[in-house]
Amino acid sequence: DAGVIQSPRHEVTEMGQEVTLRCKPISGHDYLFWYRQTMMRGLELLIYFNNNVPIDDSGMPEDRFSAKMPNASFSTLKIQPSEPRDSAVYFCASRPGGREKLFFGSGTQLSVL
Amino acid sequence: SQQGEEDPQALSIQEGENATMNCSYKTSINNLQWYRQNSGRGLVHLILIRSNEREKHSGRLRVTLDTSKKSSSLLITASRAADTASYFCATDPNTGGFKTIFGAGTRLFVKA
Repeated sequence: DAGVIQSPRHEVTEMGQEVTLRCKPISGHDYLFWYRQTMMRGLELLIYFNNNVPIDDSGMPEDRFSAKMPNASFSTLKIQPSEPRDSAVYFCASRPGGREKLFFGSGTQLSVL
Repeated sequence: SQQGEEDPQALSIQEGENATMNCSYKTSINNLQWYRQNSGRGLVHLILIRSNEREKHSGRLRVTLDTSKKSSSLLITASRAADTASYFCATDPNTGGFKTIFGAGTRLFVKA
């Protein structure tokens, strides 16, 4: 298996633009997580899905952020409109069961100018 | 908000020495995990210890868990320059969900 795949690897955009980050979890994994990492706030859990259903989105910072998982092999995190304070590394992670280790993707480095 | 807090924030040691990192958390947990992150990369799972376990070993890693003190420690023995990375503890809070919450991490630098 290729592991968790995220795209793009880097994204540079201007304030106000829409940004879409993509994630393909490991096949057979029932749980998918989106995290954001910054120097100031560390690794923050944004949202997680179980069997494609959003379970907890309490970490989503505001309405500008949305996440979907239309099927078991694909998830998106969208920011619209983007702001400079959204600049961070966004990680997707998956795991096969509820109480097991996470497998992380390589992350998307987002810079909003 | 972060569940775990690591201590120290940064650690610099010589190759061959042992490195100890500590983690404290706030709520009761199902398990506690340790992850490693090399600069610019994703996190990699190192070891998982369940709430009913007190100690676990994996190669040069030793993890302890004290649920009464809500704390854990990660010991890396005979460190190598390649161990240079950030190390994070992560907890699965016993809140009915399946979240995994990460601490702020310890940056370890091993000098050759």
